[in-house]
Amino acid sequence: QQQVKQSPQSLIVQKGGISIINCAYENTAFDYFPWYQQFPGKGPALLIAIRPDVSEKKEGRFTISFNKSAKQFSLHIMDSQPGDSATYFCAEGASTGGGNKLTFGTGTQLKVEL
Amino acid sequence: NAGVTQTPKFQVLKTGQSMTLQCAQDMNHEYMSWYRQDPGMGLRLIHYSVGAGITDQGEVPNGYNVSRSTTEDFPLRLLSAAPSQTSVYFCASSTGGLNSPLHFGNGTRLTVT
Repeated sequence: QQQVKQSPQSLIVQKGGISIINCAYENTAFDYFPWYQQFPGKGPALLIAIRPDVSEKKEGRFTISFNKSAKQFSLHIMDSQPGDSATYFCAEGASTGGGNKLTFGTGTQLKVEL
Repeated sequence: NAGVTQTPKFQVLKTGQSMTLQCAQDMNHEYMSWYRQDPGMGLRLIHYSVGAGITDQGEVPNGYNVSRSTTEDFPLRLLSAAPSQTSVYFCASSTGGLNSPLHFGNGTRLTVT
């Protein structure tokens, strides 16, 4: 069963607008929360990641906001561009268990229109 | 630098047939894993390996076998294909450790009729 709930399933944003994708997790043992970006025909690639001891992390136009008490985290894409059109996956991982197994959300298909 | 290479890119099988999906990485990564991607389900972990000779089950292991005889290769075997195994399969690798990113291949699209 999915342990991280992602919404919305799809999103259409005008060029220059803000894209917001939300995820909610259940198990507080998770302490690593990455976002992956996937273009059609390609594998996912790491976009940005955060740990729960930080409330916000920004890399260029991409920002993760983390709300530990609500067990939620979100991806904000500022000044969205057509090249940002892709599928975005949130994920969660735990430092126990070895390796870096990730549990992924169901994905959000983002389309940025001109 | 090739990264993670998956072959074949596309495959059609009949129910009951067997096949092996190949995955190779040239980054000397210890950790390798297989995910399947289905519409509305995201990516689900099938099997993973933390090093040569060590494998373990993920969330959806039934119907799949893996082995890891070398650091570079991590093949996924379907013993008796079923229509429910129609999916896009991704292999990934990383250096291991919590914050190291997964490097994904470009996937194998498998259809079982």
